[in-house]
Amino acid sequence: DAEITQSPRHKITETGRQVTLACHQTWNHNNMFWYRQDLGHGLRLIHYSYGVHDTNKGEVSDGYSVSRSNTEDLPLTLESAASSQTSVYFCASGLSGSSTDTQYFGPGTRLTVL
Amino acid sequence: QQQVKQSPQSLIVQKGGISIINCAYENTAFDYFPWYQQFPGKGPALLIAIRPDVSEKKEGRFTISFNKSAKQFSLHIMDSQPGDSATYFCAASHSGYALNFGKGTSLLVTP
Repeated sequence: DAEITQSPRHKITETGRQVTLACHQTWNHNNMFWYRQDLGHGLRLIHYSYGVHDTNKGEVSDGYSVSRSNTEDLPLTLESAASSQTSVYFCASGLSGSSTDTQYFGPGTRLTVL
Repeated sequence: QQQVKQSPQSLIVQKGGISIINCAYENTAFDYFPWYQQFPGKGPALLIAIRPDVSEKKEGRFTISFNKSAKQFSLHIMDSQPGDSATYFCAASHSGYALNFGKGTSLLVTP
């Protein structure tokens, strides 16, 4: 069955370290998204990609980067982790211009920056 | 600037009652309005969605009401059950692109 996976599911790191969160989908969706979820803020868009080699900044992109070298993967990198980046991160994928426009979410990665 | 505003922040409903969550948006280019359900420790999952060419969509106990002129839409959960206890998010997007989420509503259905 097609799916979207994230790894690791839990990560503890120290301030200043570089961290990469993986996202992999097998639906062959052209659109992929990264969101962070924080209490009181809901889900906020970090970065998104509408196809290979395409990346765009979202609402809260400072301190994060992404690259899209293939259809299946959109890794999220925290260049120098900060305590303010402690959050739950969700990856999602979907098709644009489709009849459903549904976005499918991964199970999330809980990141703690000490 | 938050493009989708959701209320209430939390809601307590008795079993068998009706749960109502409201959302409002500003961007008239939005053409897709989904509701997501999220259980603790899980990712959001699509519950039901509507496009602005219809005023209501029903799937089982879940109904979306859409008012294009007021730029508002709402989720109604009929005959609410304890298993419906979750966080609900409304969202809006244009042509399948990035979703703009409301801040979420924590629903508790008491036995």
